[in-house]
Amino acid sequence: DIQMTQSPSSLSASVGDRVTITCQASQDIGKSLSWYQQKPGKAPILLIYEASNLEMGVPSRFSGSGSGADFSFTISSLQPEDVATYYCQQYDDLPTFGQGTKLEIK
Amino acid sequence: EVQLVESGGALIQPGGSLRLSCAASGFTFSSYGMNWVRQAPGKGLEWVSYISDSGNTIYYADSVRGRFTISRDNAKNSLHLQMNSLKAEDTAVYHCARGSLLLEWFDYWGQGALVTVSS
Repeated sequence: DIQMTQSPSSLSASVGDRVTITCQASQDIGKSLSWYQQKPGKAPILLIYEASNLEMGVPSRFSGSGSGADFSFTISSLQPEDVATYYCQQYDDLPTFGQGTKLEIK
Repeated sequence: EVQLVESGGALIQPGGSLRLSCAASGFTFSSYGMNWVRQAPGKGLEWVSYISDSGNTIYYADSVRGRFTISRDNAKNSLHLQMNSLKAEDTAVYHCARGSLLLEWFDYWGQGALVTVSS
């Protein structure tokens, strides 16, 4: 199995801050990485696929980058509605998820 | 509008069996691979199983292989997960999730069905 290590596991930031989450794969996965947002009690929502492609309808303040084994996810200007847990997921092999990053407003 | 609605969740004793279903609408069901992804209470996401658009290609996570069976009925726009020999660690919300022709990302998710395995 490909292991995905996400950091930090939690983070607190102020409205308007730039926020970055990282995800490291245990092996080279090319660009086979997606990012999801999950709010409490809700289903996950796809934000980014192929490491950097923004899903249709997702605000442009969200972005992703990276390739190989190291990836990052950025919110350029944090909004109150962005409070959620964020997950990375690789699909180079059978899918595996990172452990999640819980994002809160300071 | 794409909709995925799961049903069949229940409280079941260890060793028991349960069948989950997912009713799909708002898209051409027979053109998409489909998945089950679960989330244990307070935990992260775990992919469980994938079935291709035609049903000819199926994959399972190691944790459920040999106990769970995924299937689909393209005539009825429905996805199923037959779960046998259930264990306490199978307790989770089970989401059906739309994939693509290949096993890649998941672009639409249902709200999930809660399966609780407990005596």
